[in-house]
Amino acid sequence: AQSVTQLGSHVSVSEGALVLLRCNYSSSVPPYLFWYVQYPNQGLQLLLKYTSAATLVKGINGFEAEFKKSETSFHLTKPSAHMSDAAEYFCAVSDQNQGGKLIFGQGTELSVKP
Amino acid sequence: EAGVAQSPRYKIIEKRQSVAFWCNPISGHATLYWYQQILGQGPKLLIQFQNNGVVDDSQLPKDRFSAERLKGVDSTLKIQPAKLEDSAVYLCASSLGITGLADTQYFGPGTRLTVL
Repeated sequence: AQSVTQLGSHVSVSEGALVLLRCNYSSSVPPYLFWYVQYPNQGLQLLLKYTSAATLVKGINGFEAEFKKSETSFHLTKPSAHMSDAAEYFCAVSDQNQGGKLIFGQGTELSVKP
Repeated sequence: EAGVAQSPRYKIIEKRQSVAFWCNPISGHATLYWYQQILGQGPKLLIQFQNNGVVDDSQLPKDRFSAERLKGVDSTLKIQPAKLEDSAVYLCASSLGITGLADTQYFGPGTRLTVL
């Protein structure tokens, strides 16, 4: 069965600092991986997705993620945090055995300090 | 283009009452999903429709939850009777249903249900 683990339920960074949100996956087949962001009282918005093309995936709002098969990781990074990046971030894997439903990690809340 | 619409945005009910949620997906999207997001957790799929047929309802508590997607467009999710543990945000999402496993799912704003 496929699964996703996000390391750290809360991450706090200073404005302008590097953002690193960790995600490890478990999958017996090449995975499709996603990062979503959720702002308070809103639905989820896609940041980026990996679909077995380039291993470095660039997304919206300056975020990117690198797929590392050897480490089974898909960490999300942004060089310089903005106050507006404060939100909940979810990593997800597409379940290839059950119609492509998304299996989400538990989420990481990002706080940005001025 | 208009996004996924959901209503109501908030609902407060007492246990053992019934409640229904409505979702209107993005026009032309064949696949529709209902997720349950309990506070502090990631969303969990309840049911997935492809047009008006059910693809996956393995995690839907069928003794109390039901969902339908008539005519392959709008969908309703019903809970009857509600339990305290049903308090959660119910998210609807839709996707084109063309690329399958790599489809981008577009989420609505969700309905926050509180069961007292």
